[in-house]
Amino acid sequence: AQKVTQAQTEISVVEKEDVTLDCVYETRDTTYYLFWYKQPPSGELVFLIRRNSFDEQNEISGRYSWNFQKSTSSFNFTITASQVVDSAVYFCALVSPNFGNEKLTFGTGTRLTIIP
Amino acid sequence: DAGVTQSPTHLIKTRGQHVTLRCSPISGHKSVSWYQQVLGQGPQFIFQYYEKEERGRGNFPDRFSARQFPNYSSELNVNALLLGDSALYLCASSKDWLDYGYTFGSGTRLTVV
Repeated sequence: AQKVTQAQTEISVVEKEDVTLDCVYETRDTTYYLFWYKQPPSGELVFLIRRNSFDEQNEISGRYSWNFQKSTSSFNFTITASQVVDSAVYFCALVSPNFGNEKLTFGTGTRLTIIP
Repeated sequence: DAGVTQSPTHLIKTRGQHVTLRCSPISGHKSVSWYQQVLGQGPQFIFQYYEKEERGRGNFPDRFSARQFPNYSSELNVNALLLGDSALYLCASSKDWLDYGYTFGSGTRLTVV
């Protein structure tokens, strides 16, 4: 069985502060993919990043960075110098190639509020 | 290029009624997946279709069904609606069955009263 845990239900930070969103996953598969999505009030899930289980390199994209650690089954997301536009619900998700059920398993999300 | 298009955007139905939700994938995408997102929760997988065939099914009752058409668009049908079916229904498309480059639509918000 697969599971994604986002223990932080809500986070509020003042604009320009750095913030880290935590994600812990469970899977018995050796091959899997991890994702982060952003969900603004409009409802659409906006893709941010995908990592496969064989690539533990951390990634940076502008103000966003991701820390993937297989040893702790974590895939954390950091926003540097946060902005009001970063306010949204963020979801971590997992999929394992299964030739029959290629479903995304999502965490419960973290609501991030950036205070001006 | 148009993204994933879902219709309608909002819908109010009465308990016991039937509803049909529609999804048009990105041009060139052959796989469509459906997810249900109850308020305050993460999306839950309902179905995946590829080349008009069901490739995956989540833990949902038989009241939920779906199909995919030759143009790769898809419909999600829910019969005998319950109050608990109130949710945001999201459609995602990807190029192929095993392509994990999912693009989501804005969803259909269904309210059952």
